[in-house]
This record gives sequence, structure tokens and C-alpha cells, in this order.
Amino acid sequence: KAGVTQTPRYLIKTRGQQVTLSCSPISGHRSVSWYQQTPGQGLQFLFEYFSETQRNKGNFPGRFSGRQFSNSRSEMNVSTLELGDSALYLCASSLDDRSYEQYFGPGTRLTVT
Amino acid sequence: AQKVTQAQTEISVVEKEDVTLDCVYETRDTTYYLFWYKQPPSGELVFLIRRNSFDEQNEISGRYSWNFQKSTSSFNFTITASQVVDSAVYFCALSLSSNDYKLSFGAGTTVTVRA
Repeated sequence: KAGVTQTPRYLIKTRGQQVTLSCSPISGHRSVSWYQQTPGQGLQFLFEYFSETQRNKGNFPGRFSGRQFSNSRSEMNVSTLELGDSALYLCASSLDDRSYEQYFGPGTRLTVT
Repeated sequence: AQKVTQAQTEISVVEKEDVTLDCVYETRDTTYYLFWYKQPPSGELVFLIRRNSFDEQNEISGRYSWNFQKSTSSFNFTITASQVVDSAVYFCALSLSSNDYKLSFGAGTTVTVRA
């Protein structure tokens, strides 16, 4: 069974630009969560989607948004990029909205210059 | 609110030594889940174990073992006879049924195993 895939793996953007990251969950998994990992703040929850609906949101500004498609694939968008948005963005999938076991993808390394 | 504390930032050992990683959690919920994840240099978080709050049995899986003690709110992880491949960052995490199971992570402990 294929694992969680994230594209692109690496990305370099300039301050002020916007970026879209993609996540394909494990086949059959309907819940997708996004996390931001930085050296200073560690791993922080961004949001979770289940059946195309955002169920949970972390403490991030409105510049961070996401969506989930009917095939459970998810995208995350960051608008008006700031230097502090440089991070590893991890996507995790789980079977359903009450599953406590999440499987992570390899992440997208975003660098904002 | 929930919190996970991993007081050890870095641990360095020589191959074949045992290493224990500490994890202390805080929550007022009675139903919760505790996790350990491994993050090798490649970056992908690898699931190691999940334990629910009603199961205090210790667990052993190969060279890995976990000690869950509700009385001290701790969920410690021991690697026995460490190997170079165990070098990674290890995260302890907590999820609450009352918070839709989103994971709250500790800061992580970097383990370096020297040959």
C-alpha cells in the first residue's frame, strides 16, 4: 500500500508570493491533517480535513488555508509569504475522523527568501 | 489545554548502550492517547507506538520498550542495545478525544548513536 505522498518536496519562494502544497493520503484514508515544523516552534497543528470539510484549525493566521477534494487529496495554501513561513510542512492521513493513528508523509520543505 | 514535555534536548550514546527518552504530559481529560514518533534525517515521521489512557501495560517491541505511568504522567521510551540506525529525533505526542484527536507534540529529543 502506498504511503502518504507530498508534492513538491522542496520549494523556494520569495516574500509576498503565495504557495500551494499538495498531499495525497493513503488509499482509503479520509482524514488529512497538516502540521508545520520549525526549529523554533517545533511541530504545530495547522488544520484537519475530513470529507472535504475543515474540522479543526490550529492557531495560524488566515494566510494559511486548505481544502480537501472528493478523492481525499488535500492542498494547503499560504498567501503573502513571510520569512517566518520557512518550514517543513507535514501532511498526515488517517482512516476516519475519529482515528487516533496518523501516518505522515515526507513533507515539503518551504524556504522563503 | 494539553502539553507534552520532553526535557532532554539531545542524547549521545555509543552503540550498544541503552538510551531512555523521557516524556511528561499534562491533560485534564481522562481519555487520551499517547504516541511516539521517530523522525530520521529524511524528515518523515514514523509511527512507533500508540497507548490509550486506560492501558497502563508496558510494551516491548524488539529493542524498543515503553513505560507508561499515569501516576507520574509519564510515557518513557527505552531503546536497548542502540544502533547507529536509531539516530533520529524522537517525538512524544498526545491526542485528546475531546479535541478531535489532533496531535500535540513535545519538542523532540535528538538521539545520536556513535559507532
